[in-house]
Amino acid sequence: KQEVTQIPAALSVPEGENLVLNCSFTDSAIYNLQWFRQDPGKGLTSLLLIQSSQREQTSGRLNASLDKSSGRSTLYIAASQPGDSATYLCAVTAGTYKYIFGTGTRLKVLA
Amino acid sequence: EPEVTQTPSHQVTQMGQEVILRCVPISNHLYFYWYRQILGQKVEFLVSFYNNEISEKSEIFDDQFSVERPDGSNFTLKIRSTKLEDSAMYFCASSDLGTYGYTFGSGTRLTVV
Repeated sequence: KQEVTQIPAALSVPEGENLVLNCSFTDSAIYNLQWFRQDPGKGLTSLLLIQSSQREQTSGRLNASLDKSSGRSTLYIAASQPGDSATYLCAVTAGTYKYIFGTGTRLKVLA
Repeated sequence: EPEVTQTPSHQVTQMGQEVILRCVPISNHLYFYWYRQILGQKVEFLVSFYNNEISEKSEIFDDQFSVERPDGSNFTLKIRSTKLEDSAMYFCASSDLGTYGYTFGSGTRLTVV
């Protein structure tokens, strides 16, 4: 059974820092991996989607990498801003079209 | 940009009552999903729907739950007799070919009292 784990559970950094969020999954036979952002009490905003054949995706200050063989993905946020404060969720699909989510990393960027 | 729309944004219901959560998926999408997130917990898959039938469901999706696409545009989740533990945020999602274009709605917060 696929399990997705995210470390750390919470992170607080000063504005301007570069940071890395980690995601690991137990079954490497995934179809794709997606990073989402969730603001308190709100919905899920897709940030980056990495297909299983890809190694990384970039969007603005965000870069996500995928290492299927080791069951890991990282989300790199450059030059963090207070507006980046949110919970970041990692989710994978494998064969079927359902996503299996991690518990998230709650990020706070201090001004 | 196309959106998945969910109504209402917040619903309060008494225990034992039936509740229907509504979703309007993106118009050309073929696959439809419901997820839920109990406060402080993971987002969990409930059910997927394709070609007017359930394609997969989780163990959470028991006989108390049902889904329907009544008119070709709406996609609904019905909970027949709500329990306190059904209190959660419910997310609808839709996608085009499999996971392509997978888009989540902003959620309905269900509170069972």
